[in-house]
Amino acid sequence: QKEVEQDPGPLSVPEGAIVSLNCTYSNSAFQYFMWYRQYSRKGPELLMYTYSSGNKEDGRFTAQVDKSSKYISLFIRDSQPSDSATYLCAMSARGNKLVFGAGTILRVKS
Amino acid sequence: EAGVAQSPRYKIIEKRQSVAFWCNPISGHATLYWYQQILGQGPKLLIQFQNNGVVDDSQLPKDRFSAERLKGVDSTLKIQPAKLEDSAVYLCASRSGGGGSEKLFFGSGTQLSVL
Repeated sequence: QKEVEQDPGPLSVPEGAIVSLNCTYSNSAFQYFMWYRQYSRKGPELLMYTYSSGNKEDGRFTAQVDKSSKYISLFIRDSQPSDSATYLCAMSARGNKLVFGAGTILRVKS
Repeated sequence: EAGVAQSPRYKIIEKRQSVAFWCNPISGHATLYWYQQILGQGPKLLIQFQNNGVVDDSQLPKDRFSAERLKGVDSTLKIQPAKLEDSAVYLCASRSGGGGSEKLFFGSGTQLSVL
């Protein structure tokens, strides 16, 4: 079993839709949770960062962490074609290396 | 602020040849990482430097891969000899300070094709 599981997609939605991206994990020591966005032929770009459980909102993006269920989510409201990318979840325990999910390909159709 | 610089952007070599990648992190960032990203997978850590010292190289195939960061600034990753399964994007990332691995900043990567 992988430490971090993420559905690879692709997930295809119409412009303006609400998008939900998810990851599950097995290591209960993880306490730092991140979402990275990766455009084609580019490196990952940090989108959201959350410490421990709870919600964090930044514009159209909301990150949720449920440590009791070992489940994290990223919601994108009013999705735009420019949101089309691969979304990688990543997490770590304090002082340990970052572990990435495989990434979900998102396509937003205009 | 300039981002993480990597070169070359693309490299095509034949198996058993050698190849080197270069990375210049964000100015002042003490921690530098090399990741390997195979198509359809998330990045996998190869090596982590804190200044010019190695913090973690547990997943680096040391029989063929080597990396150095001599002056605590830029870094070079080398593969010798390359295998077909080394075809991947090699990403360099950096962060300020030490400890933990959150809030990494990535370069655009070097896409390596081994034929």
